[in-house]
Amino acid sequence: SQTIHQWPATLVQPVGSPLSLECTVEGTSNPNLYWYRQAAGRGLQLLFYSVGIGQISSEVPQNLSASRPQDRQFILSSKKLLLSDSGFYLCAWDSYNEQFFGPGTRLTVL
Amino acid sequence: GEDVEQSLFLSVREGDSSVINCTYTDSSSTYLYWYKQEPGAGLQLLTYIFSNMDMKQDQRLTVLLNKKDKHLSLRIADTQTGDSAIYFCAERTGYALNFGKGTSLLVTP
Repeated sequence: SQTIHQWPATLVQPVGSPLSLECTVEGTSNPNLYWYRQAAGRGLQLLFYSVGIGQISSEVPQNLSASRPQDRQFILSSKKLLLSDSGFYLCAWDSYNEQFFGPGTRLTVL
Repeated sequence: GEDVEQSLFLSVREGDSSVINCTYTDSSSTYLYWYKQEPGAGLQLLTYIFSNMDMKQDQRLTVLLNKKDKHLSLRIADTQTGDSAIYFCAERTGYALNFGKGTSLLVTP
């Protein structure tokens, strides 16, 4: 069966520090992968998606970036965090018509 | 993307039915989804419906779709305290999903 992992589960970082969040999927090959952010207002905002290795589409311009170095690995990064980057970051993958989410990373920028 | 609208709160008594409503604006949506989120957790896919269907039933869950009015609803029969969570409606027009802000369901004993 397929599973999706995210780490770390929680992270507290100072403003201006770098960020690296990782997402890996098991049990499938060549999945579409997604990064969403859920801010305090609860809605989910699509940040990036990827349909294959090295292919990244950005939905919202900001100081975050994404990379897909391997088929089942998706990384969210920032060189310098802002206070507004705080939120709950969710990775997701597609299986045909269904989209499944990981457990999320809670990021607090102080 | 287009806006997906949901009411923010719903309170029901245990054993009653819950109906959570959603409206969307993109008529090209192919699939519509309901997700459940418990505190501190990721989103759990509950059910989804293809846009050419008008109803789907899965155990205690019934999804109704009115494509003409762009209205989607989720009915939970015999609501239990474990159903307390935030429920998100989402539409799919391309690769990614466009979510509403979620309806917080509180089930009281």
